[in-house]
Amino acid sequence: NAGVTQTPKFRILKIGQSMTLQCTQDMNHNYMYWYRQDPGMGLKLIYYSVGAGITDKGEVPNGYNVSRSTTEDFPLRLELAAPSQTSVYFCASSYSSPRLRDEQFFGPGTRLTVL
Amino acid sequence: DAKTTQPPSMDCAEGRAANLPCNHSTISGNEYVYWYRQIHSQGPQYIIHGLKNNETNEMASLIITEDRKSSTLILPHATLRDTAVYYCIVRAAYTGTASKLTFGTGTRLQVTL
Repeated sequence: NAGVTQTPKFRILKIGQSMTLQCTQDMNHNYMYWYRQDPGMGLKLIYYSVGAGITDKGEVPNGYNVSRSTTEDFPLRLELAAPSQTSVYFCASSYSSPRLRDEQFFGPGTRLTVL
Repeated sequence: DAKTTQPPSMDCAEGRAANLPCNHSTISGNEYVYWYRQIHSQGPQYIIHGLKNNETNEMASLIITEDRKSSTLILPHATLRDTAVYYCIVRAAYTGTASKLTFGTGTRLQVTL
């Protein structure tokens, strides 16, 4: 299994441009998450999904959109990039059940710079 | 979820035990203590979790005080590859929905020769 994969690894955007960060998992996990991490800080939850067709806002959703059309994919869309969105973005997935340890598996991250 | 407090940084000599403390004085009865680590800007990695009993796995041990207001993550024989930021996270037990994690700033552990 590849686990959680993210593309691209790096991207530089100009202010006002749009882009989609891709995230795919091959572990058949029902839950998926997007986090952002600013320098020297912990991760903050942007959006999450409990299954195909179902998404919900996290702590810092403004400026982002998500969709979940399949179990495997959970893309994050930035419509009008702003310098405040310069960050490292991590996608994660998990399979939650009472008998499992509810571990989140993280991708390698996408480093985004908005100039 | 309860808030956690961790020291910003710690040092440990290679081969020695690394003991990373975490305070979670407002933890409630159904909340677990989770530990994750993040090596050099990679994605965080799960280490261990526990409710009230001490736990051990192939990576680490978790000691939770009897009143559950604090815990210690123990890496028994730290290596240079254990240099990372360690996050202590408190969250509710299985709720039947997404397990949202709240990350603080963690403890930066530096393992030295």
